[in-house]
Parts: sequence; C-alpha cells; structure tokens
Amino acid sequence: GAGVSQSPSNKVTEKGKDVELRCDPISGHTALYWYRQSLGQGLEFLIYFQGNSAPDKSGLPSDRFSAERTGGSVSTLTIQRTQQEDSAVYLCASSPRNRDTDTQYFGPGTRLTVL
Amino acid sequence: GQQVMQIPQYQHVQEGEDFTTYCNSSTTLSNIQWYKQRPGGHPVFLIQLVKSGEVKKQKRLTFQFGEAKKNSSLHITATQTTDVGTYFCACLGGATNKLIFGTGTLLAVQP
Repeated sequence: GAGVSQSPSNKVTEKGKDVELRCDPISGHTALYWYRQSLGQGLEFLIYFQGNSAPDKSGLPSDRFSAERTGGSVSTLTIQRTQQEDSAVYLCASSPRNRDTDTQYFGPGTRLTVL
Repeated sequence: GQQVMQIPQYQHVQEGEDFTTYCNSSTTLSNIQWYKQRPGGHPVFLIQLVKSGEVKKQKRLTFQFGEAKKNSSLHITATQTTDVGTYFCACLGGATNKLIFGTGTLLAVQP
C-alpha cells in the first residue's frame, strides 16, 4: 500500500521567506511526528500529533515554527521568516500507535535549503 | 527528561568484522525499537523488543534487551557493505509518551 509521502522533496528559499512542508501519512495512522535532521546528525524531534489530543510541541525550536494536522490526516509544517540555520531535511513519520508500541513509518523527507 | 544514549557515535570496520552498538536509557523501558537509516535515506523500522532479556535475530543481526530493561544492543556478525548506515534505538517516553530516538551510531564498512 501507499506509504508516507512528503512534498516538496526539495525546497530552496531565500532567507526571510515563509515555507510550508506537507506530509501525507498512511491512512488510518493516528500518530504523526515531524523531525528535523541536519547533515550527519541525529533526529531532532519537532512535534507530535496523536489522535484528537493536543499536540506535543515541545520540540519546536522557535515560534517561527508551527504545524497543523487537519482532519487527523494531512499535516503541514510551516516555517516563517526562514533562517539559514533552518536548512535541513525535514522528516515526517506516521504510526498506527496502540497502547504499547509506536512503530513509525517515515516519509522520504523534504530537503530545505535557505540561501 | 528521559534520555537515550547510544555508543559509539561512529564505528568504522573492515568488511567481515563484527559490529555492536549499545543503547542506554536513564529509565526503565516498556519496550525498545531499532531503526536503520541508509545514507541519503530515511529511517526504517527493524525490530521491537518487549521482554526482559529478550534476544531476537534477523539473519546476521542480533538484538538484545537488557534484563533490567534499561539497555539494548544490536550486534552485526560479519559486516557487509550493505550494512552501512546509521542505527537508531527508540523507546516510548516523555510526558506524552511519544517515541524518543537515541543519538544513533553511524557504521562505515570498508570493502
């Protein structure tokens, strides 16, 4: 079946511009995560959506970052007034999430370059 | 907050040598997962361990969950160039019981 998809696959923008990154999770998955990964680095948690619960925004690095998940499905990560340090690969993952486990299925990522 | 540390951060081996990465948690875990990320790719789920002392094998990969459920290891026997990548452990934790990834171990295999 279809996996997690993300768009665009690559985004080049100028410093100060706003960008929107999209994630289409696997149908029926209740949990959705956004991560950021700089070259050669680990996974930096950004935000976590689980069902109808309030999202866990504890990983968002500044108030320039925000995310929404509409109808429990598609999610959009918005970065306002982009800075060069925002350049990274942004990964989305979804999970069927049950009580004891949270196996994540990752999308291919969006590579963001801020000039 | 909960931290999940992995050692080593980086390991370079000759093809055919064995490799082990260790994952250590500051708290007792309900279960632990392992993921592999190939260069230029995204993390892919490998396995989940649930029971204390559990050992699971996938071909040349052996996964172990510690008796106290606070640590885990991944051992690769006779590495191949296809094993190259970053291996992450992950566990549930934090205030919202979300999946928390370890710091990762980058494995390089020289042919």
